[in-house]
Amino acid sequence: AQSVTQLGSHVSVSEGALVLLRCNYSSSVPPYLFWYVQYPNQGLQLLLKYTSAATLVKGINGFEAEFKKSETSFHLTKPSAHMSDAAEYFCAVSETSGTYKYIFGTGTRLKVLA
Amino acid sequence: GAGVSQTPSNKVTEKGKYVELRCDPISGHTALYWYRQSLGQGPEFLIYFQGTGAADDSGLPNDRFFAVRPEGSVSTLKIQRTERGDSAVYLCASSGQGTGELFFGEGSRLTVL
Repeated sequence: AQSVTQLGSHVSVSEGALVLLRCNYSSSVPPYLFWYVQYPNQGLQLLLKYTSAATLVKGINGFEAEFKKSETSFHLTKPSAHMSDAAEYFCAVSETSGTYKYIFGTGTRLKVLA
Repeated sequence: GAGVSQTPSNKVTEKGKYVELRCDPISGHTALYWYRQSLGQGPEFLIYFQGTGAADDSGLPNDRFFAVRPEGSVSTLKIQRTERGDSAVYLCASSGQGTGELFFGEGSRLTVL
């Protein structure tokens, strides 16, 4: 069975500092991996996705993530945090059957300090 | 509409009552999903429709939960004899053919007193 682990339910960074949100997955087959962001009172929005093409994936708002098979990781990074990045971030894995039945992590709430 | 629309945005009900939650997907999207997000948790898969049929309902917690999509567009999630443990945000998502991306609505927050 597939699973996702997000280390750190809360992460605080200073404005302008590096953002690193961790995600490790468990999958017996090559996974599809996703990062979603949820702003207060809004729906989940796709940041980026890995679907077995390039291992370094660039997303919206300056975020990127690197698929590392040997570490079973898909950490999300952004070089310089902005106040508007404050939100909850979810990592998700899906089966390759194409049904997009996602398994989500428990989320990491990012706080950006002025 | 431009996005996935869910109604009501908030629903407060009493234990034992019946509730319906509605999802209007993005026009033309054939796939529709229901997820449930409890406090402090990530969304959990409930059911997936491809067209009018439920292709995968393995996430429905028990037979009190049922969902329909009679015309392949709007879907209704139905919960009978609600329990306090059903309190959560119910998320709907839709996707187009082969896009690999789910578009989520803002959710329906259900509170069972």
